[in-house]
Amino acid sequence: IAGITQAPTSQILAAGRRMTLRCTQDMRHNAMYWYRQDLGLGLRLIHYSNTAGTTGKGEVPDGYSVSRANTDDFPLTLASAVPSQTSVYFCASSASWSSYNEQFFGPGTRLTVL
Amino acid sequence: DQQVKQNSPSLSVQEGRISILNCDYTNSMFDYFLWYKKYPAEGPTFLISISSIKDKNEDGRFTVFLNKSAKHLSLHIVPSQPGDSAVYFCAADGGSQGNLIFGKGTKLSVKP
Repeated sequence: IAGITQAPTSQILAAGRRMTLRCTQDMRHNAMYWYRQDLGLGLRLIHYSNTAGTTGKGEVPDGYSVSRANTDDFPLTLASAVPSQTSVYFCASSASWSSYNEQFFGPGTRLTVL
Repeated sequence: DQQVKQNSPSLSVQEGRISILNCDYTNSMFDYFLWYKKYPAEGPTFLISISSIKDKNEDGRFTVFLNKSAKHLSLHIVPSQPGDSAVYFCAADGGSQGNLIFGKGTKLSVKP
C-alpha cells in the first residue's frame, strides 16, 4: 500500500541521547516535511525538503537536523535530546513543494525524553 | 502570534445534525486553505480544501466556506455521523516553503 511509514512507533529516550526518527515514502513525492504536534499547539513545522539533496528550516528547527539523500527517505535526528522535545512527530510528503498539493502524513512517532 | 486560529477546542453535536467548525487567519496573503481530520494514534488525513478565488467548496457531506473580507473559514458537516468524531485541523498555505500553517485543532464529538 502506497504511503508514508515512520519508525519507531514510539520511543522513550534519556536526555542527552542521540535519536533518529525514520521516514520513508513510496509515492515518489518531491517534497517532504517534519512536524511536531504538542497539546494545545497544533502541528508545527520543524524542517522541510523541497527535493532530494535540499533541506530547509521550518518554524521550530532548533535541536533537530535532517538529510535528504534520496527521494524516498527523510530522517530526523535529535543530536542530544532534551525533555522539551517530548512530542508526537509526523512526517509528511507532497508531490511538489507547493501547498496546492495535498500533504500526506505518516502515522507518527511518539517520543518521550526523560 | 498565531496566524491560523481555531478558537473552539471542542464541539459536541448530535448525530444527524450539522457540525460547524470555525477557523480564522491573520495573514491576508494566504490564498489556499485545507482541512485535515485526525483520529487518535493516526496521522492527519486531508479532508477538503479551498482556494481564495472561491467562497465555497463542497464534497459530499463536507462543505468549506471562505469569507476573505473577514479572514474566516468554516467547515460544515451535514449530516454529522459518529464516525466523524475526530480532531479537525484548519491549515493555510505557508508560502514559499510549501509548508502548511496549522491551527490548534477542534475536537468534534458526534453523539449517537
